[in-house]
Amino acid sequence: DAGVTQSPTHLIKTRGQQVTLRCSPKSGHDTVSWYQQALGQGPQFIFQYYEEEERQRGNFPDRFSGHQFPNYSSELNVNALLLGDSALYLCASSFIASQSTDTQYFGPGTRLTVL
Amino acid sequence: AQSVTQLGSHVSVSEGALVLLRCNYSSSVPPYLFWYVQYPNQGLQLLLKYTSAATLVKGINGFEAEFKKSETSFHLTKPSAHMSDAAEYFCAVSEETGTASKLTFGTGTRLQVTL
Repeated sequence: DAGVTQSPTHLIKTRGQQVTLRCSPKSGHDTVSWYQQALGQGPQFIFQYYEEEERQRGNFPDRFSGHQFPNYSSELNVNALLLGDSALYLCASSFIASQSTDTQYFGPGTRLTVL
Repeated sequence: AQSVTQLGSHVSVSEGALVLLRCNYSSSVPPYLFWYVQYPNQGLQLLLKYTSAATLVKGINGFEAEFKKSETSFHLTKPSAHMSDAAEYFCAVSEETGTASKLTFGTGTRLQVTL
């Protein structure tokens, strides 16, 4: 059973460019959440997708956008990159259940460096 | 708003000694609490979670945590540290809303295990 997968592993971009990160959820999961982890910090929630719609959003600007596909996979897009966007981007998947809290399972992350 | 405070950004213990990593939470509703571990250059792995079923929660790799409502704490312990436990540990809180919920993380505690 494959876990959460993310691509690419590493990415180097320059300021002002745009980037797309990809995530495939764990088998059986229908919800994808994205987190940004700056160096030495805990992950910060960006947004969450369920049924191909953004359901929740953290305190991130509109430069951060996403998409969820019918097969539950997801993309994170960041426009007009800033140096401060350099971070590890983590994808987490879960399954919405009405009777219990969902446990989020994390992928290995994509390390984005903005020069 | 929910929040998590992890006391001590770095903890060092000898191999075989007790591990104690501290986590205090703030939540306006009964919380769901998690401990995740992150090894270098990897994503987050779930150690254990509290979802109100039992106050003492046992997780993987010999770790356990006790939920104390009166102290708003969820400290992580392990009776005997092993070299392989060296990693970054994150406490997280999630507020149950009946749908997939976002996680709010602490800033992490780096555990060093010495011979």
